[in-house]
Amino acid sequence: SQQGEEDPQALSIQEGENATMNCSYKTSINNLQWYRQNSGRGLVHLILIRSNEREKHSGRLRVTLDTSKKSSSLLITASRAADTASYFCATDAPSGYSTLTFGKGTMLLVSP
Amino acid sequence: DTAVSQTPKYLVTQMGNDKSIKCEQNLGHDTMYWYKQDSKKFLKIMFSYNNKELIINETVPNRFSPKSPDKAHLNLHINSLELGDSAVYFCASSPNSRGNTIYFGEGSWLTVV
Repeated sequence: SQQGEEDPQALSIQEGENATMNCSYKTSINNLQWYRQNSGRGLVHLILIRSNEREKHSGRLRVTLDTSKKSSSLLITASRAADTASYFCATDAPSGYSTLTFGKGTMLLVSP
Repeated sequence: DTAVSQTPKYLVTQMGNDKSIKCEQNLGHDTMYWYKQDSKKFLKIMFSYNNKELIINETVPNRFSPKSPDKAHLNLHINSLELGDSAVYFCASSPNSRGNTIYFGEGSWLTVV
């Protein structure tokens, strides 16, 4: 069953602005990951945050995780046209053989 | 060098046909996957193999049969193709089956007409 739900479904901003995408999930997790998918391409891993972490940074990316609210956010600062893509959160269950369960994604359009 | 490669990238075929999609990873990973992405971009796990052994099979019709000749290859064979099978199929791999980063191939666009 689907675990993550991204919000908003689509986001349109201007270059230089910040973009924030949210992800909510339903069950307990081991970690949460964010992926990017450019049009016509495969998914590329961006960042992983473990359940005992609250915030993580990678370049212009900032991810937060609130396990009490079962939610995460991805912030892209100073966006560029090249950031135009779909962004997916994926959750990993804490036990058994794990496989990432993906949300439906947020489509981000960054206009020059 | 491509880490996870799958072929063909595009496949157009008629209903009722049988087709295969091949996948190879050169990352030395133990675990490989097949995901299906529908027209609304929803990505759903189909199968997962760990060291050539099937570990996850997510209620996929038995017309879909994965085959893993070795841990670097996971091929997907589809029998009696139906219109609803049209989607993008992604092969992927990860170091092991425990919550790692997943590395995706570029996808195979299957259109059934």
